[in-house]
Amino acid sequence: GESVGLHLPTLSVQEGDNSIINCAYSNSASDYFIWYKQESGKGPQFIIDIRSNMDKRQGQRVTVLLNKTVKHLSLQIAATQPGDSAVYFCAEETSGSRLTFGEGTQLTVNP
Amino acid sequence: DAGVTQSPTHLIKTRGQQVTLRCSPKSGHDTVSWYQQALGQGPQFIFQYYEEEERQRGNFPDRFSGHQFPNYSSELNVNALLLGDSALYLCASSLAAAAQNFGPGTRLTVT
Repeated sequence: GESVGLHLPTLSVQEGDNSIINCAYSNSASDYFIWYKQESGKGPQFIIDIRSNMDKRQGQRVTVLLNKTVKHLSLQIAATQPGDSAVYFCAEETSGSRLTFGEGTQLTVNP
Repeated sequence: DAGVTQSPTHLIKTRGQQVTLRCSPKSGHDTVSWYQQALGQGPQFIFQYYEEEERQRGNFPDRFSGHQFPNYSSELNVNALLLGDSALYLCASSLAAAAQNFGPGTRLTVT
């Protein structure tokens, strides 16, 4: 079936380190992927997206990598800051713009 | 430019009652999607509205219904509430193939 999953439920890093959050997806036909950040009590916030015709996309301090061969997605956050602490979801767009989310990774940044 | 707004912020209902949640999309967006997010889980797709019609539906019972108005705003209705309907209900809006923008959500508690 269509599903998106995450390898690790929690990730703890030191302030200033780089963070890498991973995601596996199962639907090889999916062509659009999005990373969202969700802080406690708030709605998901768009971070970065990537389409299947790309392998890498960079934003401000964030990079998304897509490996279609092994159906793997990752989010890299450079110089992680305390404000980056949140739950991160990858989402897969399937059959006409509906999003399928994984369980999320809780990122904790230690000062 | 206001983003996606939702009302109310919090709501407490009794089992068996009915509830209506409201969403105003981001300016310029014409598509509204609703998601249910249980505590500690990723959002689950309920349905999507475009041009005032339900375009897609997830695996939710008919107790969940919705509506989209000519100004693109939307309502989510849930009848015969169950304890298991307690969750954060998220509205997301989008335009064409762009990423979905989420609102802050409505926290529904069913007692």
